[in-house]
Amino acid sequence: DAKTTQPTSMDCAEGRAANLPCNHSTISGNEYVYWYRQIHSQGPQYIIHGLKNNETNEMASLIITEDRKSSTLILPHATLRDTAVYYCIVRELSGGSYIPTFGRGTSLIVHP
Amino acid sequence: NAGVTQTPKFRVLKTGQSMTLLCAQDMNHEYMYWYRQDPGMGLRLIHYSVGEGTTAKGEVPDGYNVSRLKKQNFLLGLESAAPSQTSVYFCASSYLQGATYGYTFGSGTRLTVV
Repeated sequence: DAKTTQPTSMDCAEGRAANLPCNHSTISGNEYVYWYRQIHSQGPQYIIHGLKNNETNEMASLIITEDRKSSTLILPHATLRDTAVYYCIVRELSGGSYIPTFGRGTSLIVHP
Repeated sequence: NAGVTQTPKFRVLKTGQSMTLLCAQDMNHEYMYWYRQDPGMGLRLIHYSVGEGTTAKGEVPDGYNVSRLKKQNFLLGLESAAPSQTSVYFCASSYLQGATYGYTFGSGTRLTVV
């Protein structure tokens, strides 16, 4: 099972900030949190990643709690094109290698 | 750069037929992965490879085989296709630098087994 927990679905009004939470309470000390999104049935696309400090890029901001057990992806001004499934990913040990594992993600619907 | 390329993009198979899905990456990534995605589900890992000549089982490996003879290619084989293998298949590759990894996906292969 994935080591992350995300709400199944969320909605947001266009132009508003979308805040997508993720719990990763078993994350190890040196593991990064990655966020990807999947639009329709395309391949998932990278959004942002972080370790312990808050991160920002042209797409989004990532807020990681001080204990690193949870994080929030922020889309500051959501548009209709941000409607997608958002995945929060941490790696877990599998067969001697650390492998990223996807859960079911959060389906974000941005409405006019 | 093309990134991760999957071929074919679509395929219809009859039950019992075999086929191979090809994944090619031009980023010199060490790690490669095959996932399947069913409606309403997340991505489930089938097999993965941490380097040329090595493969390992993921979460749902039954009915599939893989090979990584060249670093840039990762093949997924279905020896005897079953309707339960109807799915969208995604290939991905990643580098590894310390604890960070870039993860690039292909555009998917839609497989229908009738």
